[in-house]
Amino acid sequence: AQRVTQPEKLLSVFKGAPVELKCNYSYSGSPELFWYVQYSRQRLQLLLRHISRESIKGFTADLNKGETSFHLKKPFAQEEDSAMYYCALSSYNTDKLIFGTGTRLQVFP
Amino acid sequence: DVKVTQSSRYLVKRTGEKVFLECVQDMDHENMFWYRQDPGLGLRLIYFSYDVKMKEKGDIPEGYSVSREKKERFSLILESASTNQTSMYLCASKGGTEAFFGQGTRLTVV
Repeated sequence: AQRVTQPEKLLSVFKGAPVELKCNYSYSGSPELFWYVQYSRQRLQLLLRHISRESIKGFTADLNKGETSFHLKKPFAQEEDSAMYYCALSSYNTDKLIFGTGTRLQVFP
Repeated sequence: DVKVTQSSRYLVKRTGEKVFLECVQDMDHENMFWYRQDPGLGLRLIYFSYDVKMKEKGDIPEGYSVSREKKERFSLILESASTNQTSMYLCASKGGTEAFFGQGTRLTVV
């Protein structure tokens, strides 16, 4: 069965500190992994996807198949990074898209 | 500018009422989804549809049904609303790898 686990409900850091939001998944095949972000009063939107290996707004995430993890990292957090972050998994076969429980990131000045 | 539009931003319904939540997308996407979003529980998939008239249950389909008569429209139906269905409901559509979300419908069942 597909499952996404985000162990932290809330992560609070000061501006300029490094950030790591954890995500672990379980899936028997080859998954697609994503990070979605929801800023206050805005729609949920895609932040990045593992196949692109891109850096968006300074965030990166590496798929570790051995540890079944897809942690989101940023070396220097900014106040505007404060938001709700969701890790998500999709199957190449079915397009079913499931999400984790989310982590709220608070960045203090 | 891609668009996923949910028909209502806020709804208040009585227990036992039949409730329809509508979602329309203008991207010609094949896949559409309904989620409910609750604090501490994240987004939970209720149903998704991969084509017109095709649907598949998600993780929490009990108490819900869906309809997809046209490609652009995906409706969520609460046959008999109950107070535990009070929640934020999010619709999404997906053509390639990226899903696009609606603004959400906050449903309160009293």
